[in-house]
Amino acid sequence: AQTVTQSQPEMSVQEAETVTLSCTYDTSESDYYLFWYKQPPSRQMILVIRQEAYKQQNATENRFSVNFQKAAKSFSLKISDSQLGDAAMYFCAYRSGLYNNNDMRFGAGTRLTVKP
Amino acid sequence: NAGVTQTPKFRILKIGQSMTLQCTQDMNHNYMYWYRQDPGMGLKLIYYSVGAGITDKGEVPNGYNVSRSTTEDFPLRLELAAPSQTSVYFCASSYSKVTSGRGTGEQFFGPGTRLTVL
Repeated sequence: AQTVTQSQPEMSVQEAETVTLSCTYDTSESDYYLFWYKQPPSRQMILVIRQEAYKQQNATENRFSVNFQKAAKSFSLKISDSQLGDAAMYFCAYRSGLYNNNDMRFGAGTRLTVKP
Repeated sequence: NAGVTQTPKFRILKIGQSMTLQCTQDMNHNYMYWYRQDPGMGLKLIYYSVGAGITDKGEVPNGYNVSRSTTEDFPLRLELAAPSQTSVYFCASSYSKVTSGRGTGEQFFGPGTRLTVL
């Protein structure tokens, strides 16, 4: 079964600075999706960014970008110009690209604190 | 669009009681999911459905039941509640093409239900 590992339980960053959250995963599949979800204190799960494994180009969404290393099975999230509103739990998630596999696997999460 | 809605937001149950967590989506998504999130952990899949009348087990199905009679609704039933079922429950939905299962892969989540079993 696929596993997702987030080795940083907590991270902190100064406002306006850059921070990188780490994620590694284990899979034997070649077709899959990777996601970063943000969970603020409201508990709502919010999609930050997604990456399809067959796309070599790293995904970007405004201040958020990823470093997708398929061979190393690494999927880190970089947050630039950090804002107070970025403070939240961040979850890395993996989903198979197989049509009959609907299991999304989540890491344990990284709690990000943003210092003013 | 309301997206994915869940009721109730909070609930306290006594051991042995039963309840149903409601989930509704208005995005015409064919796939729906139930997850639980234990403190300090990521989400784990309980059950999922690929369409009305079709459900299947996820990683942690014991103690739960589901049904899917319509595209919009996917209730989760807890029978004989136990303290181990104290958790936050999330419902989610997504769209995948029936023939290939491909879509954006993204799942849209409801706001969650915090359940405590005492």
